[in-house]
Amino acid sequence: QQQVKQSPQSLIVQKGGISIINCAYENTAFDYFPWYQQFPGKGPALLIAIRPDVSEKKEGRFTISFNKSAKQFSLHIMDSQPGDSATYFCAASTYSGAGSYQLTFGKGTKLSVIP
Amino acid sequence: KAGVTQTPRYLIKTRGQQVTLSCSPISGHRSVSWYQQTPGQGLQFLFEYFSETQRNKGNFPGRFSGRQFSNSRSEMNVSTLELGDSALYLCASSLKVSGANVLTFGAGSRLTVL
Repeated sequence: QQQVKQSPQSLIVQKGGISIINCAYENTAFDYFPWYQQFPGKGPALLIAIRPDVSEKKEGRFTISFNKSAKQFSLHIMDSQPGDSATYFCAASTYSGAGSYQLTFGKGTKLSVIP
Repeated sequence: KAGVTQTPRYLIKTRGQQVTLSCSPISGHRSVSWYQQTPGQGLQFLFEYFSETQRNKGNFPGRFSGRQFSNSRSEMNVSTLELGDSALYLCASSLKVSGANVLTFGAGSRLTVL
């Protein structure tokens, strides 16, 4: 059962354009929503994260928009650059007992920013 | 501060063999999680260890096991390897920041099963 659905699977954006990646979830127990960025040959790295009591969070060119009622959240990359070309994963976290918080990941979006 | 170190980075095994992967977390991080990453299934949670105890487990068969040592280093083992076990195995150490579990991943161990 895929609990976090991510789209699109791949995305090609012109340099300077806006990249938008969407995620949807079902489990209302999720209470923390991070985005990870992964370059080839590297592990995923935390990019930006949001809690459901906030509708938007911005860090530099990266913005998360969160719609709690629709159970959707999205990543916007403004002024996309070739260096942003990577795979992006959305994730959702919930408490799973015994002090453990489990992250469930979307299947990833491969972003290519072309000059 | 050194990041999460995983060894080996690459390995090739044949069906039926077993493999052990190692992970050294960031100094001071006591929680270590393991994930399997494949093109088809994405990142799937294997298990989490904290203070040498497994405190959460994903939906993987018993061939997948792990342990954590007193210095927080962790190992995972896969026995009786199958072709479908070919994947990137990622280890992450974590720290609770403002009530959120922030994972820092290593570069992974890429396992190929022939």
